[in-house]
Amino acid sequence: DQQVKQNSPSLSVQEGRISILNCDYTNSMFDYFLWYKKYPAEGPTFLISISSIKDKNEDGRFTVFLNKSAKHLSLHIVPSQPGDSAVYFCAARRTGANNLFFGTGTRLTVIP
Amino acid sequence: NAGVMQNPRHLVRRRGQEARLRCSPMKGHSHVYWYRQLPEEGLKFMVYLQKENIIDESGMPKERFSAEFPKEGPSILRIQQVVRGDSAAYFCASSREGGLSNQPQHFGDGTRLSIL
Repeated sequence: DQQVKQNSPSLSVQEGRISILNCDYTNSMFDYFLWYKKYPAEGPTFLISISSIKDKNEDGRFTVFLNKSAKHLSLHIVPSQPGDSAVYFCAARRTGANNLFFGTGTRLTVIP
Repeated sequence: NAGVMQNPRHLVRRRGQEARLRCSPMKGHSHVYWYRQLPEEGLKFMVYLQKENIIDESGMPKERFSAEFPKEGPSILRIQQVVRGDSAAYFCASSREGGLSNQPQHFGDGTRLSIL
């Protein structure tokens, strides 16, 4: 049962444009959400997170938006750079739990 | 991913052998998590440990798998009598505070286990 879903396996964007990665979840008990970036043969690197009490969190070029009513979050990267090319994972934690639930990832390619 | 150290990076075992995967958390972190990633899938939680205690093993298979985080030394994920289906990337993560806090988990580079 996939509780966190990333329905787009891949995304290509021109350098300098905005990248928008989407994530949907099914469990209304999730209260903390994170985005990780992963390069081949490396572990996931933490990018940005958001608590369910907020609807937006920004850190430099990265902004995460949370729409609780739609059970949807998105990661915006602007401007996109070739070094952003990686697989991006959305993750969520539910109230009272210790572990993270991960989506299956979206491979972002930023074209120079 | 400086900080969380996993070894070995690659491990090859024959069916029926034992696999031992090691994880040293980031400095100052006392909470360790193990995840498994099968090909084309996301990471799946296995177990959460603090020093000398298993806190949550709800994602761990009931047989052949065990984990420990001793007072001294790294956390160990042990798989006995490995089978082909155990082939995966195993990631360890650590955090400064427990999983119930809003602290991100930081990951190592993983151990890629291949079963012949």
